[in-house]
Order: sequence, then structure tokens, then C-alpha cells
Amino acid sequence: QVQLVQSGAEVKKPGASVKVSCKASGYTFTDYNIYWVRQAPGQGLEWMGWMNPNSGATNYAQKFQGRVTMTRDTSISTAYMELSRLESDDTAVYYCARPLPAGATGYWGQGTLVTVSS
Amino acid sequence: EIVLTQSPGTLSLSPGERATLSCRASQSISYNYLAWYHQKPGQAPRLLIYDASSRAAGIPDRFSANGSGTDFTLTISRLEPDDFAVYYCHQYVMLPRTFGHGTKVEIK
Repeated sequence: QVQLVQSGAEVKKPGASVKVSCKASGYTFTDYNIYWVRQAPGQGLEWMGWMNPNSGATNYAQKFQGRVTMTRDTSISTAYMELSRLESDDTAVYYCARPLPAGATGYWGQGTLVTVSS
Repeated sequence: EIVLTQSPGTLSLSPGERATLSCRASQSISYNYLAWYHQKPGQAPRLLIYDASSRAAGIPDRFSANGSGTDFTLTISRLEPDDFAVYYCHQYVMLPRTFGHGTKVEIK
């Protein structure tokens, strides 16, 4: 079955960077895009962007351009999301996700809590 | 970008009652590329509906949805205890992908 397993919680200081991993299993990693979505405490879902694991192509939401980098290592079926110049407003649960063949985001990782605090 | 407006913000109902949730888009969503999710505290969202009206695998038939263009509706025919959660709509036709702000279905 499709599984997306993310790395553990992180605590970072303002101005630092964080890199979250998302290991895929149960399907061919390069066949489907990987999306990243975040959720601040008590807030809704915010789409950050996507990456094509086959080509490495990316598309980032304008809000995060210049601060986010999405990469992958196809040899270990793992996607990464790195966010730099962290601020307290970046405190959130970060999810990786994968679409169904039909296109809707159907599979989600368990989420990674990133806390930004001095 | 496509802005999705969900209403109401909160729905207070009892188990067994019917819930009707609305999602309105700022522009027409082609191909009905609209999905619904529910999310419980501490959990990832779970896909309920895709392509505006197709139930995802394992979703019971008390969940139904319809709509096209800019107006979409999710209906839960008889609420069960497990259904009390936050519900989000999501469009995947255009970049950036966007979500509504959610409707909380709470126990009355």
C-alpha cells in the first residue's frame, strides 16, 4: 500500500533553515508528483508547492518563492522540503502528499511539526 | 489564484442529523477538479470526495457531493460520531492549488 513516512519533529531558531524528508513506498516514486502542504496551529491547510520526482521540476507558491527548495533522491524514494530564513509564523505541521491517478491529493504523510522559537 | 469560500464556518448538529456544507469558488473550476477532505485533531486530512462527486476508496455512502462551475456541496446524510471534524474543499485544476478555510462540524 502507498505510504509516505516523514522525518521527526524539529525545533529551530529564527533565521535558521529546516529540511523535512518524506520517504515513499508502495508505488514507483517517479510516477507521481509530491506536494507539500503546511498547517499552522489551529489554522487551515496551505499549499506550498510540488515537485516532479522524475524530472526534478518544481512549482512553488508565490508566498514561498526564494525561501523553499524541493528536491528528491530517487535512489531511496525520498522527497525533501527545505525552508530557509525561518520566522515564528513558520511554526506549523508540514505534510507531504501524493495525488491519486485521477489527480486529487489522496495520500498524505503523517506530518512533521516544525517549531520556530528563540 | 482560485479562492475557495466555505460556509458555514461552524455547523452544530446532533448524531443522526444531516449536514450540508458549501464551497464557493472565485472562478469556475474546470473538469470539476474539486475535492473534499475531513481532518480530525492531530491527524492528516483524509480524502472523501474527488472530481466533485466521486467517493474515495473506503468512504461510506452517507457522504455525497455534487456541484459544478463555482458552487459545490458536500452532504453527510446521517452524522455518526466519527464524522465530527473539520471539512476542507480543495481545487486541483489550477496552480497554486488552494484550500477553503474549513467548516467545523461539531456536536450540538
